[in-house]
Amino acid sequence: GQQVMQIPQYQHVQEGEDFTTYCNSSTTLSNIQWYKQRPGGHPVFLIQLVKSGEVKKQKRLTFQFGEAKKNSSLHITATQTTDVGTYFCAGSRSTLGRLYFGRGTQLTVWP
Amino acid sequence: DAGVIQSPRHEVTEMGQEVTLRCKPISGHDYLFWYRQTMMRGLELLIYFNNNVPIDDSGMPEDRFSAKMPNASFSTLKIQPSEPRDSAVYFCASSFRSTENYEQFFGPGTRLTVL
Repeated sequence: GQQVMQIPQYQHVQEGEDFTTYCNSSTTLSNIQWYKQRPGGHPVFLIQLVKSGEVKKQKRLTFQFGEAKKNSSLHITATQTTDVGTYFCAGSRSTLGRLYFGRGTQLTVWP
Repeated sequence: DAGVIQSPRHEVTEMGQEVTLRCKPISGHDYLFWYRQTMMRGLELLIYFNNNVPIDDSGMPEDRFSAKMPNASFSTLKIQPSEPRDSAVYFCASSFRSTENYEQFFGPGTRLTVL
């Protein structure tokens, strides 16, 4: 069954608006990763979060890992058309275990 | 580094035919993963290897699917016989698992269409 739930499935925003996608697991995760897949492309690693409550930033992107290590979020400030794509979270229950990918959030940005 | 290499990039075949997908991981990586992506089911892990040994094949749909990794630089995913419901994009990914970084590097994928 689905190990990692991700919402929303789709998000349409006007350029300049903010965007957030959420990821939830029923079990405690060892770490969580975020990937971006452009249309017609392959998933590309963005970041990894390991510590409880961890917050990491990459320019306009902010990633958070929940205190209980069961949820995570990706927030994009002031979206640009280059942000278009599908954002996936992927969690692992053990240090070297398999990744469980969420279904992804497909982001469309209108110019 | 050329990254993860997959071949073919596109494959169109008829139901019942054997299909072989190939992957060359990034040199030095000790983990290799095979994923399948469809609109209906998203990104699914089929099998993964560590140092050429299969670790978890619980995602392999059925006996028609098999995967091998004869050496550190090559892996195959075989479907025999193929069925229309196998149509999907198949990704190979590799990683070098240190204690701090578990990033997976994905190949460009093979788009399989079974008619």
